[in-house]
Amino acid sequence: KAGVTQTPRYLIKTRGQQVTLSCSPISGHRSVSWYQQTPGQGLQFLFEYFSETQRNKGNFPGRFSGRQFSNSRSEMNVSTLELGDSALYLCASSLEFIWGNSGNTIYFGEGSWLTVV
Amino acid sequence: AQTVTQSQPEMSVQEAETVTLSCTYDTSENNYYLFWYKQPPSRQMILVIRQEAYKQQNATENRFSVNFQKAAKSFSLKISDSQLGDTAMYFCAFMKHDADKIIFGKGTRLHILP
Repeated sequence: KAGVTQTPRYLIKTRGQQVTLSCSPISGHRSVSWYQQTPGQGLQFLFEYFSETQRNKGNFPGRFSGRQFSNSRSEMNVSTLELGDSALYLCASSLEFIWGNSGNTIYFGEGSWLTVV
Repeated sequence: AQTVTQSQPEMSVQEAETVTLSCTYDTSENNYYLFWYKQPPSRQMILVIRQEAYKQQNATENRFSVNFQKAAKSFSLKISDSQLGDTAMYFCAFMKHDADKIIFGKGTRLHILP
């Protein structure tokens, strides 16, 4: 079956702009979560959605937001972009609750590379 | 606040050797999960192994095993008979039992040399 698909793969934005990233989970998966990866801060959890509801949220400012649609596809939005937002943004999907159950497998996409100039 | 520390930014070992990646964490929680994730050059993250804190038995998955020392808050990953395909960045991660967020270490870049 198709894996987790993230679009766009690469993009360049200017400071102050906003950006929307998209994630299509594996068919049948209801949980989608987002992460930011940078060389300095490593991998950081942004938020998780399950059945269109945000369930968990990491320590990021309100400029970072997301949503999930009824087909489980998810979007992440970053408004008023800052240079420090340049990062690889990873999306992950899971059949059920993303981290909880033993045996639950989490699948990551290949990420969206965002460069803010 | 919980923290996860991976003290080895980069390691290299010969193919077929055994390698151990270290991870320590800090928490006041009693129930939690620990994970090791592999991120190959393709950047996709792959769950390698999971450990529930209430389980005393160390988790194993084929060539991968952990040494979980709850009192010492240590969670090291051992890779036996290492293979070229094991070359990747490895992340240790912590999650409380109520799973409100997951905390990652900064990663260890592992090179398996032919």
